[in-house]
Amino acid sequence: SYELAQPPSMSTAPGQTARITCSGDALPRQYVYWFQQKPGQAPVLVIYKDTERPPGIPARFSGSTSGATVTLTISDVQAEDEADYYCQSSDNSGVLNWVFGGGTKLTVL
Amino acid sequence: QVTLSESGPALVKSTQTLTLTCTFSGFSLNTVGMSVAWIRQPPGKALEWLALIDWDDEKFYSASLKTRLSVSKDTSRNQVVLIMTNMEPVDTATYFCARAGAGAIETMDVWGQGTTVIVS
Repeated sequence: SYELAQPPSMSTAPGQTARITCSGDALPRQYVYWFQQKPGQAPVLVIYKDTERPPGIPARFSGSTSGATVTLTISDVQAEDEADYYCQSSDNSGVLNWVFGGGTKLTVL
Repeated sequence: QVTLSESGPALVKSTQTLTLTCTFSGFSLNTVGMSVAWIRQPPGKALEWLALIDWDDEKFYSASLKTRLSVSKDTSRNQVVLIMTNMEPVDTATYFCARAGAGAIETMDVWGQGTTVIVS
């Protein structure tokens, strides 16, 4: 089955930049979406179609792509950004089959 | 304002069938391109996409759970129902429903708060 790989955890100091990667064989041909999930809460979409930000998401959240790896970048990290982040995409089967990455826990030091 | 809310039993026994209902407002599943997805999250683990039903009544399922899942909609009541058969303790999780397909976003842009299901 298709898998998306994310680092399990990372930490960043306030004001610094956090970069969370997501890798998968189909990513050169499939969009990636990023979700933020805080403890006890439902996920929130922060990036769609690789680089687009939904309304209400701060501009410090951005997305980029390079081949089979996509990156969520959080600039000027704030304490409130501490959360789990999940990438989501599809395989190349031609039939809708959504997949989530294993998630990255971002700790703000 | 778009809202979704999941409901169903909090506790089910092994081998039983789970039926969950997603009741939504602020959008219509009669709108072209609109869909509702189901996702689950075991305690302390990652999100897992389960199923999706779209405005045209097309249904899509996770390959690993396809034989156990069924999804249906009642557009007049703004509800989507997920049925999962042969429940086991590993199916203990929080189950979410989410809207998908709104405009250019395509994916799950608004989520319910989730409902926790424990399988004993």
